[in-house]
Amino acid sequence: GEDVEQSLFLSVREGDSSVINCTYTDSSSTYLYWYKQEPGAGLQLLTYIFSNMDMKQDQRLTVLLNKKDKHLSLRIADTQTGDSAIYFCAESIGDYKLSFGAGTTVTVRA
Amino acid sequence: GAGVSQSPSNKVTEKGKDVELRCDPISGHTALYWYRQSLGQGLEFLIYFQGNSAPDKSGLPSDRFSAERTGGSVSTLTIQRTQQEDSAVYLCASSLAKGGSPLHFGNGTRLTVT
Repeated sequence: GEDVEQSLFLSVREGDSSVINCTYTDSSSTYLYWYKQEPGAGLQLLTYIFSNMDMKQDQRLTVLLNKKDKHLSLRIADTQTGDSAIYFCAESIGDYKLSFGAGTTVTVRA
Repeated sequence: GAGVSQSPSNKVTEKGKDVELRCDPISGHTALYWYRQSLGQGLEFLIYFQGNSAPDKSGLPSDRFSAERTGGSVSTLTIQRTQQEDSAVYLCASSLAKGGSPLHFGNGTRLTVT
Protein backbone atom coordinates (compact mmCIF):
# COMPACT_ATOMS: atom_id res chain seq x y z
CA GLY A 1 0.00 0.00 0.00
CA GLU A 2 0.91 3.65 -0.22
CA ASP A 3 0.81 5.24 3.20
CA VAL A 4 3.29 7.77 4.54
CA GLU A 5 2.87 8.82 8.15
CA GLN A 6 4.43 11.64 10.09
CA SER A 7 3.66 13.47 13.29
CA LEU A 8 1.60 16.60 12.76
CA PHE A 9 3.35 19.15 14.96
CA LEU A 10 6.82 19.93 16.31
CA SER A 11 7.83 22.86 18.47
CA VAL A 12 11.52 23.65 18.86
CA ARG A 13 13.55 26.39 20.44
CA GLU A 14 15.67 28.58 18.19
CA GLY A 15 19.22 27.23 18.02
CA ASP A 16 18.24 23.68 18.97
CA SER A 17 18.10 20.75 16.56
CA SER A 18 14.80 19.65 15.03
CA VAL A 19 14.10 16.04 14.18
CA ILE A 20 11.12 15.18 12.00
CA ASN A 21 10.21 11.52 11.65
CA CYS A 22 8.38 9.66 8.92
CA THR A 23 7.38 6.07 8.24
CA TYR A 24 6.49 4.69 4.84
CA THR A 25 5.09 1.41 3.61
CA ASP A 26 6.39 0.69 0.11
CA SER A 27 9.56 -1.34 0.54
CA SER A 28 10.31 -0.95 -3.16
CA SER A 29 10.50 2.84 -2.96
CA THR A 30 13.65 3.92 -4.75
CA TYR A 31 13.81 7.47 -3.49
CA LEU A 32 12.58 9.27 -0.41
CA TYR A 33 12.11 13.01 -0.27
CA TRP A 34 11.72 15.90 2.11
CA TYR A 35 9.83 18.97 0.97
CA LYS A 36 9.24 22.27 2.78
CA GLN A 37 6.14 24.43 2.39
CA GLU A 38 6.00 28.00 3.63
CA PRO A 39 2.66 29.83 3.96
CA GLY A 40 1.06 30.59 0.61
CA ALA A 41 3.77 28.83 -1.34
CA GLY A 42 4.17 25.54 -3.10
CA LEU A 43 6.43 22.72 -1.99
CA GLN A 44 10.16 23.32 -2.14
CA LEU A 45 12.44 20.31 -2.46
CA LEU A 46 14.85 20.22 0.48
CA THR A 47 16.69 17.00 -0.09
CA TYR A 48 16.23 13.41 -1.16
CA ILE A 49 17.96 10.11 -0.54
CA PHE A 50 18.40 7.02 -2.65
CA SER A 51 17.16 3.88 -0.96
CA ASN A 52 20.57 2.21 -0.88
CA MET A 53 21.95 4.98 1.32
CA ASP A 54 21.73 5.22 5.10
CA MET A 55 22.52 8.87 5.51
CA LYS A 56 22.84 12.06 3.54
CA GLN A 57 24.10 15.38 4.85
CA ASP A 58 23.62 18.75 3.23
CA GLN A 59 24.72 21.75 5.28
CA ARG A 60 22.32 21.94 8.26
CA LEU A 61 20.22 19.04 7.02
CA THR A 62 20.83 15.38 7.80
CA VAL A 63 18.63 12.63 6.45
CA LEU A 64 18.70 9.19 8.03
CA LEU A 65 17.11 6.18 6.39
CA ASN A 66 16.37 2.88 8.13
CA LYS A 67 15.16 0.74 5.28
CA LYS A 68 14.49 -2.29 7.45
CA ASP A 69 12.05 -0.33 9.60
CA LYS A 70 10.90 1.91 6.70
CA HIS A 71 11.75 4.93 8.80
CA LEU A 72 13.05 8.24 7.50
CA SER A 73 14.09 11.25 9.54
CA LEU A 74 15.17 14.81 8.84
CA ARG A 75 17.39 16.61 11.29
CA ILE A 76 17.79 20.37 11.06
CA ALA A 77 20.76 21.65 13.03
CA ASP A 78 20.74 25.10 14.65
CA THR A 79 17.06 25.68 13.85
CA GLN A 80 16.22 29.25 12.84
CA THR A 81 12.91 31.16 12.70
CA GLY A 82 13.03 30.85 8.91
CA ASP A 83 12.78 27.10 9.32
CA SER A 84 9.18 27.45 10.57
CA ALA A 85 7.11 25.71 7.90
CA ILE A 86 5.34 22.48 7.03
CA TYR A 87 7.67 19.61 6.15
CA PHE A 88 6.45 16.78 3.94
CA CYS A 89 7.96 13.35 3.65
CA ALA A 90 7.36 11.53 0.35
CA GLU A 91 8.17 8.12 -1.09
CA SER A 92 8.51 7.22 -4.75
CA ILE A 93 5.85 4.83 -6.02
CA GLY A 94 6.81 3.05 -9.23
CA ASP A 95 8.54 5.09 -11.91
CA TYR A 96 6.87 8.45 -11.54
CA LYS A 97 4.48 8.95 -8.65
CA LEU A 98 5.20 10.34 -5.20
CA SER A 99 3.08 9.55 -2.15
CA PHE A 100 3.13 12.28 0.50
CA GLY A 101 2.55 12.33 4.21
CA ALA A 102 0.18 14.85 5.80
CA GLY A 103 3.05 17.14 6.75
CA THR A 104 4.68 18.16 10.05
CA THR A 105 4.18 21.77 11.10
CA VAL A 106 7.40 22.99 12.69
CA THR A 107 7.18 26.04 14.93
CA VAL A 108 10.40 27.69 16.03
CA ARG A 109 10.11 29.66 19.26
CA ALA A 110 12.57 32.24 20.52
CA GLY B 1 10.34 30.82 -16.79
CA ALA B 2 12.59 29.63 -14.03
CA GLY B 3 9.96 27.67 -12.15
CA VAL B 4 6.51 26.16 -12.44
CA SER B 5 3.93 28.87 -12.91
CA GLN B 6 0.26 28.49 -11.97
CA SER B 7 -2.65 30.81 -12.57
CA PRO B 8 -4.75 32.17 -11.11
CA SER B 9 -3.21 32.19 -7.66
CA ASN B 10 -6.64 32.53 -6.10
CA LYS B 11 -10.07 31.71 -7.49
CA VAL B 12 -13.43 32.20 -5.82
CA THR B 13 -16.38 30.72 -7.64
CA GLU B 14 -20.01 29.96 -6.99
CA LYS B 15 -21.20 26.40 -6.55
CA GLY B 16 -22.20 24.93 -9.87
CA LYS B 17 -19.86 27.02 -12.01
CA ASP B 18 -16.97 25.61 -14.06
CA VAL B 19 -13.37 26.62 -13.39
CA GLU B 20 -10.11 26.24 -15.30
CA LEU B 21 -6.74 26.16 -13.60
CA ARG B 22 -3.58 26.62 -15.61
CA CYS B 23 -0.07 25.26 -15.16
CA ASP B 24 3.06 26.24 -17.07
CA PRO B 25 5.82 23.73 -16.27
CA ILE B 26 9.57 24.18 -16.31
CA SER B 27 10.83 24.18 -19.87
CA GLY B 28 12.06 20.75 -20.91
CA HIS B 29 10.19 18.87 -18.21
CA THR B 30 8.22 16.12 -19.92
CA ALA B 31 6.36 14.95 -16.81
CA LEU B 32 3.57 17.05 -15.30
CA TYR B 33 1.45 16.33 -12.23
CA TRP B 34 -1.61 17.75 -10.56
CA TYR B 35 -2.07 17.33 -6.82
CA ARG B 36 -4.75 18.62 -4.46
CA GLN B 37 -4.05 19.85 -0.95
CA SER B 38 -6.99 20.23 1.40
CA LEU B 39 -6.77 21.99 4.75
CA GLY B 40 -4.79 19.86 7.18
CA GLN B 41 -4.38 17.09 4.65
CA GLY B 42 -1.42 15.79 2.73
CA LEU B 43 -1.15 15.96 -1.00
CA GLU B 44 -3.66 13.95 -2.99
CA PHE B 45 -2.47 12.79 -6.41
CA LEU B 46 -4.87 13.66 -9.22
CA ILE B 47 -3.25 13.02 -12.61
CA TYR B 48 0.10 12.47 -14.32
CA PHE B 49 1.09 13.51 -17.83
CA GLN B 50 4.01 12.22 -19.84
CA GLY B 51 4.19 14.55 -22.79
CA ASN B 52 0.62 15.18 -23.89
CA SER B 53 -0.78 11.85 -22.77
CA ALA B 54 -2.08 10.99 -19.31
CA PRO B 55 -1.17 7.39 -18.48
CA ASP B 56 -2.41 7.79 -14.92
CA LYS B 57 -5.68 9.57 -14.18
CA SER B 58 -6.43 7.41 -11.18
CA GLY B 59 -6.61 10.26 -8.71
CA LEU B 60 -9.30 12.33 -10.40
CA PRO B 61 -12.12 12.29 -7.81
CA SER B 62 -15.06 12.31 -10.22
CA ASP B 63 -16.00 12.79 -13.85
CA ARG B 64 -16.42 16.50 -13.13
CA PHE B 65 -12.63 16.72 -13.15
CA SER B 66 -10.62 16.63 -16.36
CA ALA B 67 -7.21 17.79 -17.50
CA GLU B 68 -5.37 18.23 -20.74
CA ARG B 69 -1.89 19.13 -21.81
CA THR B 70 -0.94 20.61 -25.16
CA GLY B 71 2.39 20.94 -26.93
CA GLY B 72 4.03 18.96 -24.16
CA SER B 73 3.90 22.11 -22.09
CA VAL B 74 0.93 23.97 -20.61
CA SER B 75 -1.73 22.00 -18.78
CA THR B 76 -5.27 22.94 -17.81
CA LEU B 77 -7.25 21.31 -15.02
CA THR B 78 -10.99 21.82 -15.45
CA ILE B 79 -13.58 21.30 -12.75
CA GLN B 80 -17.17 21.32 -13.94
CA ARG B 81 -20.18 22.10 -11.77
CA THR B 82 -17.99 22.92 -8.78
CA GLN B 83 -19.03 21.76 -5.32
CA GLN B 84 -17.98 23.12 -1.94
CA GLU B 85 -15.87 20.03 -1.28
CA ASP B 86 -13.74 21.00 -4.28
CA SER B 87 -12.35 23.91 -2.24
CA ALA B 88 -8.62 23.26 -1.84
CA VAL B 89 -5.22 24.30 -3.11
CA TYR B 90 -4.44 22.72 -6.47
CA LEU B 91 -0.73 22.20 -6.98
CA CYS B 92 1.01 21.51 -10.24
CA ALA B 93 4.47 19.97 -10.47
CA SER B 94 6.84 19.02 -13.25
CA SER B 95 9.91 16.84 -13.55
CA LEU B 96 12.40 15.45 -16.03
CA ALA B 97 10.67 12.06 -15.71
CA LYS B 98 13.93 10.22 -15.22
CA GLY B 99 14.17 7.83 -12.31
CA GLY B 100 14.53 9.80 -9.13
CA SER B 101 14.03 13.18 -10.73
CA PRO B 102 12.37 15.27 -8.05
CA LEU B 103 9.11 17.08 -8.61
CA HIS B 104 9.24 20.87 -8.80
CA PHE B 105 6.06 22.52 -7.59
CA GLY B 106 4.30 25.73 -8.45
CA ASN B 107 2.76 27.95 -5.79
CA GLY B 108 -0.68 26.52 -6.39
CA THR B 109 -4.15 27.85 -7.07
CA ARG B 110 -6.34 28.34 -4.00
CA LEU B 111 -9.89 27.49 -5.07
CA THR B 112 -12.80 28.54 -2.90
CA VAL B 113 -16.30 27.41 -3.85
CA THR B 114 -19.04 29.42 -2.17
